[in-house]
Amino acid sequence: ETGVTQSPTHLIKTRGQQVTLRCSSQSGHNTVSWYQQALGQGPQFIFQYYREEENGRGNFPPRFSGLQFPNYSSELNVNALELDDSALYLCASSVGTGGNQPQHFGDGTRLSIL
Amino acid sequence: QKEVEQNSGPLSVPEGAIASLNCTYSDRVSQSFFWYRQYSGKSPELIMSIYSNGDKEDGRFTAQLNKASQYVSLLIRDSQPSDSATYLCAVNPSENYGQNFVFGPGTRLSVLP
Repeated sequence: ETGVTQSPTHLIKTRGQQVTLRCSSQSGHNTVSWYQQALGQGPQFIFQYYREEENGRGNFPPRFSGLQFPNYSSELNVNALELDDSALYLCASSVGTGGNQPQHFGDGTRLSIL
Repeated sequence: QKEVEQNSGPLSVPEGAIASLNCTYSDRVSQSFFWYRQYSGKSPELIMSIYSNGDKEDGRFTAQLNKASQYVSLLIRDSQPSDSATYLCAVNPSENYGQNFVFGPGTRLSVLP
């Protein structure tokens, strides 16, 4: 069974740039959620994708956007990067959207903004 | 604002002792609760889920849920140095709309040999 994979593992950008992060869901999982984890804090929900549509969104501005593809993989795009966007970005996959379904995380992408 | 609170620690216990990690949540309608373990520099790893009031045991881990008190805990028996990590409590506030897990800040556990 293939787990959740994310790329790249590390990324350095400057303020104002744009970035795309990628995630492949665990085999058999059709739902992908994205989280931002700042140092010393718990993950914060950004949004979730199911059947290629956004299925819930946290308190993040519109410059955070995403996509899900027919193979259930997903992208997180962030425009106009700000220093506060420096964080670990985690992708989690699950089966369906039922609230009792656990989410399984990838190893994350560490994004640093200079 | 849905909130999940945990004592940030560090919680230090000697090897072989029971570690008790606590979590409270603000949204009374929450139905699903999860404990994740996160080693430094790594991603969260699911330990346990619990949905009903009472205890749920899995090996050395026991999750306890009290919905009336809006309280969920994790007990780790026979703690080992390899259990040293940050433990995250996650709550899914809604059964009906997605899985927007709300995480607590995590409790850092240190098991001393």
